Amino acid sequence: GAGVSQSPSNKVTEKGKDVELRCDPISGHTALYWYRQSLGQGLEFLIYFQGNSAPDKSGLPSDRFSAERTGGSVSTLTIQRTQQEDSAVYLCASSLMTYEQYFGPGTRLTVT
Amino acid sequence: QQQVKQSPQSLIVQKGGIPIINCAYENTAFDYFPWYQQFPGKGPALLIAIRPDVSEKKEGRFTISFNKSAKQFSLHIMDSQPGDSATYFCAATDSWGKLQFGAGTQVVVTP
Repeated sequence: GAGVSQSPSNKVTEKGKDVELRCDPISGHTALYWYRQSLGQGLEFLIYFQGNSAPDKSGLPSDRFSAERTGGSVSTLTIQRTQQEDSAVYLCASSLMTYEQYFGPGTRLTVT
Repeated sequence: QQQVKQSPQSLIVQKGGIPIINCAYENTAFDYFPWYQQFPGKGPALLIAIRPDVSEKKEGRFTISFNKSAKQFSLHIMDSQPGDSATYFCAATDSWGKLQFGAGTQVVVTP
């Protein structure tokens, strides 16, 4: 079956612009996670959704970051007023139970 | 503060050798320990996972050893092949399932 998909695969944006990153989880998976992977920080948790609610937003690095999930499916991660330190690969994962998480290919964000 | 410590950063083995990657954790609330394999330009792929009530788990050429009292676990890749060359991450989850990752180990298997 189809895995987790993310779009766009690459995004180059100018500092100060807003960006939206999309995640389509595996059909039927109720849990959805966003992570960020960067050279200096490794893989970091950002936010967790169970259905449409986000019980854990503890990893969002600043109030410029927000995420939503609609219909218990697609999720969008929005970064406002992007900064160069936001450059990273943003990864989405989904799971049916909260343990086995399956990752998408990621969106590589470059802020110039 | 890294909740899961992984070593070594990198290692090189010859084909047929057994790369061993070690991880340690402090948080006793962790109850699930997966390993992920990542190739350049791809997302991490779930390789194998273990619960703390099991001391060893094998799937194909991959084996996890788990020492609950020492709060350590390790990945062994038996009969390693050049196609196993990748970055490997250990991780641990708490009750919410969010993954706390180790820093990663780059494994190179030479022909």
